[in-house]
Amino acid sequence: GAVVSQHPSRVICKSGTSVKIECRSLDFQATTMFWYRQFPKQSLMLMATSNEGSKATYEQGVEKDKFLINHASLTLSTLTVTSAHPEDSSFYICSARDVGQGSQPQHFGDGTRLSIL
Amino acid sequence: GDSVTQMEGPVTLSEEAFLTINCTYTATGYPSLFWYVQYPGEGLQLLLKATKADDKGSNKGFEATYRKETTSFHLEKGSVQVSDSAVYFCALSVGGTASKLTFGTGTRLQVTL
Repeated sequence: GAVVSQHPSRVICKSGTSVKIECRSLDFQATTMFWYRQFPKQSLMLMATSNEGSKATYEQGVEKDKFLINHASLTLSTLTVTSAHPEDSSFYICSARDVGQGSQPQHFGDGTRLSIL
Repeated sequence: GDSVTQMEGPVTLSEEAFLTINCTYTATGYPSLFWYVQYPGEGLQLLLKATKADDKGSNKGFEATYRKETTSFHLEKGSVQVSDSAVYFCALSVGGTASKLTFGTGTRLQVTL
């Protein structure tokens, strides 16, 4: 079945560092990918919708200059957390739509646990 | 706006017990409904879905029926196993199954021997 690969799975870094997270669709093309954030024992919060070849659409309250999204190809979207601080520590999950299977639901990556010291 | 309400957990059951996790929703239009499962340290996996009223989604012994009259999509399983221990999320999307998802808060299930 469809697979979405997310890398890295875990990041620990110092405050002020910028961190890039990759989301790849391995066996299908994805014009749209979604980035979610999950706090401990809480639900997923949609941060932004990433559209191939155009600007991402951010949800209300999400700082687009803080969370940079690039969707340069049909199989890759990246989320960069710029100048990360401890409050940015969280579990980030991406998902992708298969452009060839318009009625099928999103496929999720395994997530990236980001810890800022 | 659209929203999903799930019963609070954790839910603790003995193996082979019957499981029900309640889910109700509010949506504009006609949503598609989903149950996702998240095992510790992993992302979400689609468990089952239903796209219209009275549809029943089923997978791995889990079932849920799309009830428009009660705006509900309760998850059930007749006999749970220890391996079913995970967090279960109810979700909806409006505008097709591949549109953005609105999630419930999740319900943690712990199954013991």
